[in-house]
Amino acid sequence: AIQMTQSPSSLSASVGDRVTITCRASQGIKNDLGWYQQKAGNGPNLLIYAASTLHAGVPSRFSGSGSGTDFTLTISNLQPEDSATYYCLQDYTYPRTFGQGTKVEVK
Amino acid sequence: EVRVVESGGGTVQPGGSLRLSCVASGFTFGDHWMIWIRRAPGKGLEWVANIDEGGNKKFYADSVVGRFTISRDNAKNSLFLQMDGLRVEDTALYYCARDLNYNDKGHYFDVIDLWGQGTMVTVSS
Repeated sequence: AIQMTQSPSSLSASVGDRVTITCRASQGIKNDLGWYQQKAGNGPNLLIYAASTLHAGVPSRFSGSGSGTDFTLTISNLQPEDSATYYCLQDYTYPRTFGQGTKVEVK
Repeated sequence: EVRVVESGGGTVQPGGSLRLSCVASGFTFGDHWMIWIRRAPGKGLEWVANIDEGGNKKFYADSVVGRFTISRDNAKNSLFLQMDGLRVEDTALYYCARDLNYNDKGHYFDVIDLWGQGTMVTVSS
């Protein structure tokens, strides 16, 4: 199975900051990658699919980039409601695999 | 309202079985791939299994293959996960989710846009 390595595992940043989360695949996955946000007590929410396509209704401060093995999720102008855990998910092949998650705290 | 609601979780001994259900409403269930994903306590998300619109194609995580079976009944807008040979490490909150399976010029992307609140499975002696 493809391994997805996310970093950092956690971060703390202030309102208005720009944060970047990275995800590295153990082999090339083209642009077959999504990013999901999970807040405490809730089911996950889709942010981005196809590595860089913003899902409908997701604020434009979220953006994704990358292809092949290296991907990034960027949150510009961090807001208090962005406190959550973020996951990447490869959909290049089966079985699908998630990264370990990045917990974002907004100070 | 567009939603999916899971049920069937509970506590079971190692080696036991459980059958999870997910009922969909507010959309044409039979038009979509469906997925089970889980989150163990204190851990991250793990993709478990998915099934195509007609129930013909099924895929599983390595950790559950041969023990779990995904199925669906489109007439009842329902998705199922039969879990046999349960292990302590299967303890998790199990989510049902919809995949829009977006087609971009013949290439399909998973677009998991609708999730339930989950049903808790505890495997313990």
